[in-house]
Amino acid sequence: AQTVTQSQPEMSVQEAETVTLSCTYDTSESDYYLFWYKQPPSRQMILVIRQEAYKQQNATENRFSVNFQKAAKSFSLKISDSQLGDAAMYFCAYRSSGALTSGTYKYIFGTGTRLKVLA
Amino acid sequence: DAGVTQSPTHLIKTRGQHVTLRCSPISGHKSVSWYQQVLGQGPQFIFQYYEKEERGRGNFPDRFSARQFPNYSSELNVNALLLGDSALYLCASSLSPGANVLTFGAGSRLTVL
Repeated sequence: AQTVTQSQPEMSVQEAETVTLSCTYDTSESDYYLFWYKQPPSRQMILVIRQEAYKQQNATENRFSVNFQKAAKSFSLKISDSQLGDAAMYFCAYRSSGALTSGTYKYIFGTGTRLKVLA
Repeated sequence: DAGVTQSPTHLIKTRGQHVTLRCSPISGHKSVSWYQQVLGQGPQFIFQYYEKEERGRGNFPDRFSARQFPNYSSELNVNALLLGDSALYLCASSLSPGANVLTFGAGSRLTVL
């Protein structure tokens, strides 16, 4: 079974600085998707960035980028020029590219990292 | 366009009671998934529905059930509530089960006393 591990319960960063959130996963599959979701106090999970495992190029979305190391099964999120609005819980998630035998596509989430941004 | 909407936003129940949570997906999205997020944890998969049929369920007891309606909205039902059912219940929708963009609602916060 696949697992996702986030070993940093909480991180802090000064406004305008850069921070990296860590995520490792375990799978025997070769093709899958990895995601970072942000959950602010409003509770809604918001997709930050997505990476397809077959793509070697690291995904980038404005100030957010990932370092995807497939062999090491590592998927870290770098936030540049941190802003107060970045403060939230960040969840790393895994999803198989194909359906389970039941036809289900399910996401497996880590336990989250709480990011605090200091003014 | 409206996002994924869930109701109620908060509710309090006592042990043994029953609860129904509702979800309206984004217009055009035919797949709905339900996740349970216990405080301090990541979301856990409960169900996925597509075209009114259950496509899969996670490791949850039979007290949990769901259905999807012809307009693709969905209900999650939990019977015989236990204290451990206290959680944020998240609904997410996508165009199809395999679409790699999952959009979440703001959730329903259930407290069981």
